[in-house]
Amino acid sequence: KAGVTQTPRYLIKTRGQQVTLSCSPISGHRSVSWYQQTPGQGLQFLFEYFSETQRNKGNFPGRFSGRQFSNSRSEMNVSTLELGDSALYLCASSLGGRANAFFGQGTRLTVV
Amino acid sequence: AQSVTQLGSHVSVSEGALVLLRCNYSSSVPPYLFWYVQYPNQGLQLLLKYTSAATLVKGINGFEAEFKKSETSFHLTKPSAHMSDAAEYFCAVSPQGGSEKLVFGKGTKLTVNP
Repeated sequence: KAGVTQTPRYLIKTRGQQVTLSCSPISGHRSVSWYQQTPGQGLQFLFEYFSETQRNKGNFPGRFSGRQFSNSRSEMNVSTLELGDSALYLCASSLGGRANAFFGQGTRLTVV
Repeated sequence: AQSVTQLGSHVSVSEGALVLLRCNYSSSVPPYLFWYVQYPNQGLQLLLKYTSAATLVKGINGFEAEFKKSETSFHLTKPSAHMSDAAEYFCAVSPQGGSEKLVFGKGTKLTVNP
């Protein structure tokens, strides 16, 4: 069974640009959550989607957005990139109902 | 709000020695608690999960954790460290309700010396 797939693995963007990251969950999983990991702030929850609906959102500015498609694949978008957005972005999928969450390898975003 | 505190950002042990990574949680209701491991340039891998079924939880790779309500702790242990255990370990709590959101501690980097 394939794991959680995040693309791309690495990304370099310039300040002011926007970026879209993709996450394909494990087959059958309907819940997808996104996290930002930085050395200073650690792992912080961005948002969670279940069956195409955003169920929960972390404390991030509106520049951070996401969506989930009918096949459970999810994308997150960051507009007007800032240097501080440089981070490892992790996606986790689960069946829902507080079942075990499985993480992808992440997308390393560098903003220059 | 629920939170977790990991005591010690760095822990160093010798190969074969006991591993003890500390985690304290803050929650007004019985939480779900987790330990994850992260190897360099990798995502997170679930080691074990507490869901109130049993206070001693056994996980993968020989790790286990004990839930102690009186101490609000969920410390991770392994009797004998192996070089391959060198990684960063994260304790996390799942708030009540239908959300899958996890609140993570700051992490503990484990070094295993030969």
